[in-house]
Amino acid sequence: GAVVSQHPSRVICKSGTSVKIECRSLDFQATTMFWYRQFPKQSLMLMATSNEGSKATYEQGVEKDKFLINHASLTLSTLTVTSAHPEDSSFYICSARDAQTKNTEAFFGQGTRLTVV
Amino acid sequence: DAKTTQPTSMDCAEGRAANLPCNHSTISGNEYVYWYRQIHSQGPQYIIHGLKNNETNEMASLIITEDRKSSTLILPHATLRDTAVYYCIVRDDIYNFNKFYFGSGTKLNVKP
Repeated sequence: GAVVSQHPSRVICKSGTSVKIECRSLDFQATTMFWYRQFPKQSLMLMATSNEGSKATYEQGVEKDKFLINHASLTLSTLTVTSAHPEDSSFYICSARDAQTKNTEAFFGQGTRLTVV
Repeated sequence: DAKTTQPTSMDCAEGRAANLPCNHSTISGNEYVYWYRQIHSQGPQYIIHGLKNNETNEMASLIITEDRKSSTLILPHATLRDTAVYYCIVRDDIYNFNKFYFGSGTKLNVKP
């Protein structure tokens, strides 16, 4: 299947700072990417849809000013957690679909574990 | 907005078939059934999907009942590496294209 890569895989940051997570589609173009968050022992929760060349759309209850999303190219979306707090510590995962095929399955990155201290 | 019900956990002996059930009694006509799995601390991995016909690929088989209200994922010869959380997701491929809403999934424990 298609490959989606996230960077970094792990990050530790101080409370009050911002951290950027990258999501890349390595061998295909993705007009839309998705960001999820997963707390320990819980399922994935969809946070937002990242649209290439336009504003992201956020799920209900997700603060758009806290979780800034930029999708500047067909292969890269970034999620910036601003003014991070310990409660933002979580596993962040992105997904994407190959826009040039008829395949409907999405492929997920390996995830980024964020720890805010 | 998960629309599926799965058992919390299941055990399976290595080498035997693992049959993971999923109830989706409110599924609508244009919603597909997708299966993903998540091995600990990794991103979800696509397994298989279908609309109403049974499907098979190199990883698994998907059996969907005639009324489409339930389905079963079959791993024909489970190995220890198949230990993971398995998610059954229904998705409208027209109006919610690419959005996946995950339920709680089934933790499959493959034992030697």
